[in-house]
Amino acid sequence: AQRVTQPEKLLSVFKGAPVELKCNYSYSGSPELFWYVQYSRQRLQLLLRHISRESIKGFTADLNKGETSFHLKKPFAQEEDSAMYYCALSPRNQAGTALIFGKGTTLSVSS
Amino acid sequence: DTGVSQNPRHKITKRGQNVTFRCDPISEHNRLYWYRQTLGQGPEFLTYFQNEAQLEKSRLLSDRFSAERPKGSFSTLEIQRTEQGDSAMYLCASSLRSNIPGTGDSYEQYFGPGTRLTVT
Repeated sequence: AQRVTQPEKLLSVFKGAPVELKCNYSYSGSPELFWYVQYSRQRLQLLLRHISRESIKGFTADLNKGETSFHLKKPFAQEEDSAMYYCALSPRNQAGTALIFGKGTTLSVSS
Repeated sequence: DTGVSQNPRHKITKRGQNVTFRCDPISEHNRLYWYRQTLGQGPEFLTYFQNEAQLEKSRLLSDRFSAERPKGSFSTLEIQRTEQGDSAMYLCASSLRSNIPGTGDSYEQYFGPGTRLTVT
């Protein structure tokens, strides 16, 4: 079965500390992985996707097919990073179909 | 605002009533998606359209739910005989195919603000 697991409901860090939001997936084929972010009172928006290999707002994520993981990392957290983060999966050979989301992790960055 | 819009933003209804939500996608986007999100969960896929054709429906979409996209532009989601378990945020998203050199087609889904349904 296709599944995305985000083991942490809440991650609290101090400003300037490194951040790693964990995401593991279960999918038999070749997936496309995404991180979506939802800031307070804003809509869900795409942060980054693995095929683009970009760094957005200092965040990076590497797809590890061996460990079936797509962890989101940032070396130095900022207070404006506080938000809800969702990892999502889309079947690579069915691009443009349903996204399968994890339950989300709330990141709280305090000074 | 040229993003995805949804109306109404909030809906309170009594159990057993019918409700209809509307989604207006980004104008050039040919794919439109509906998701449902309950407290503490990520969005769960309900259905999606390519133009006016409904291509996939989740088993979450019971026979009380129906979605349409009659002219390939806006979409409506209707829930008949609402139940308290239908209380949730209903999200709409739209996408357009893009080609990323070296990796092939990709679809970035742009989400609307959602319609929060409360069934009393």
